[in-house]
Amino acid sequence: DTEVTQTPKHLVMGMTNKKSLKCEQHMGHRAMYWYKQKAKKPPELMFVYSYEKLSINESVPSRFSPECPNSSLLNLHLHALQPEDSALYLCASSHATARGPYGYTFGSGTRLTVV
Amino acid sequence: LAKTTQPISMDSYEGQEVNITCSHNNIATNDYITWYQQFPSQGPRFIIQGYKTKVTNEVASLFIPADRKSSTLSLPRVSLSDTAVYYCLVGDRTGGFKTIFGAGTRLFVKA
Repeated sequence: DTEVTQTPKHLVMGMTNKKSLKCEQHMGHRAMYWYKQKAKKPPELMFVYSYEKLSINESVPSRFSPECPNSSLLNLHLHALQPEDSALYLCASSHATARGPYGYTFGSGTRLTVV
Repeated sequence: LAKTTQPISMDSYEGQEVNITCSHNNIATNDYITWYQQFPSQGPRFIIQGYKTKVTNEVASLFIPADRKSSTLSLPRVSLSDTAVYYCLVGDRTGGFKTIFGAGTRLFVKA
């Protein structure tokens, strides 16, 4: 299995809702990432987990809460979002050691719309 | 972190060879150069990776000069389906935990 699976593919939520994005991989990768991508912009790094521990938080607002329950799963919990948080949310994974093979594997993303 | 600079956009015609150059003047000794392709509303897809000289796979070639301060992605005989955004990333072999995407190059292939 060489894929990163993200669910749901589309999500519409109100500003008072709580929702979660899910990401799953079975490639044995021990580094997992959340990126946010606005239209016609490059992906922006949000969080990095290494061996199930949060290693990087790029000063993301607390209304985004990541969770890595095991080595295959990565969640992003959403609460009290703003319309400007509407974007494509991408999950990626990679080997976590310098001896790993090539680069990131990305999921297809979750298109989030906050109304 | 090595910053990358690419042309914002390029146009080409079907059947032509397209070369996209990326500048990375402060690349570190351990850094690899990786190119990704992204279609609208999809995640980036790995194309090719290299450290120095030339690398070729079934879809592209990557040329890296001796000083490694730039690299060129070469797409032979492009088709309409190659219309996408192409990103050049520089980091260690795993992609680096904090690899930052540059602005990318928007390639438009015309019939």
